[in-house]
Amino acid sequence: AQSVTQPDARVTVSEGASLQLRCKYSYSGTPYLFWYVQYPRQGLQLLLKYYSGDPVVQGVNGFEAEFIKSNSSFHLRKASVHWSDSAVYFCAVSVGNNAGAKLTFGGGTRLTVRP
Amino acid sequence: DTTVKQNPRYKLARVGKPVNLICSQTMNHDTMYWYQKKPNQAPKLLLFYYDKILNREADTFEKFQSSRPNNSFCSLYIGSAGLEYSAMYLCASSPGQGDTQYFGPGTRLLVL
Repeated sequence: AQSVTQPDARVTVSEGASLQLRCKYSYSGTPYLFWYVQYPRQGLQLLLKYYSGDPVVQGVNGFEAEFIKSNSSFHLRKASVHWSDSAVYFCAVSVGNNAGAKLTFGGGTRLTVRP
Repeated sequence: DTTVKQNPRYKLARVGKPVNLICSQTMNHDTMYWYQKKPNQAPKLLLFYYDKILNREADTFEKFQSSRPNNSFCSLYIGSAGLEYSAMYLCASSPGQGDTQYFGPGTRLLVL
């Protein structure tokens, strides 16, 4: 069965600093990979996704992620964070089948951006 | 429009009473999902409908029911709420296999 690990439960950075949120997955096949963000009192919003092709994928609000197959990783990056990026970030892997894809989430990383 | 709507946004229920949560989407998506999310935990898949076929996760099989009367609507039903059901319930929909899931804002359920 697939699994997702986000080793950092909490990350705090200063506004304007660069950011990397780590994600590692375990799946024997070729995964579909996602990063979602949950702002306070809201549902999950998609930041970016990887299906195939260029391993570096661009997302919304300046986020990007790189798929490294040899390392089973899909880390999220941003060059310069803003205070409004404070939220919980979830990495997820999708395993498709004929009855519909199933997302498996990591435990999430709570990002706090200091003004 | 990629909006998934959920009603109600907040629900207070008594132990032992039933709870019914509603989700709707107008994107004509084949698949609709229900997740349970507790604080500081990952969202946990409860069940999903692929078209009219219901798939429930093995460890939640007895606890949750669902119906999908048409493509746009999907409900989550708890027959007898327990304290452990207090959580955020997230609905999502997806156009197909492996594709992006679009989430609603969630329903926060508190069981007392």
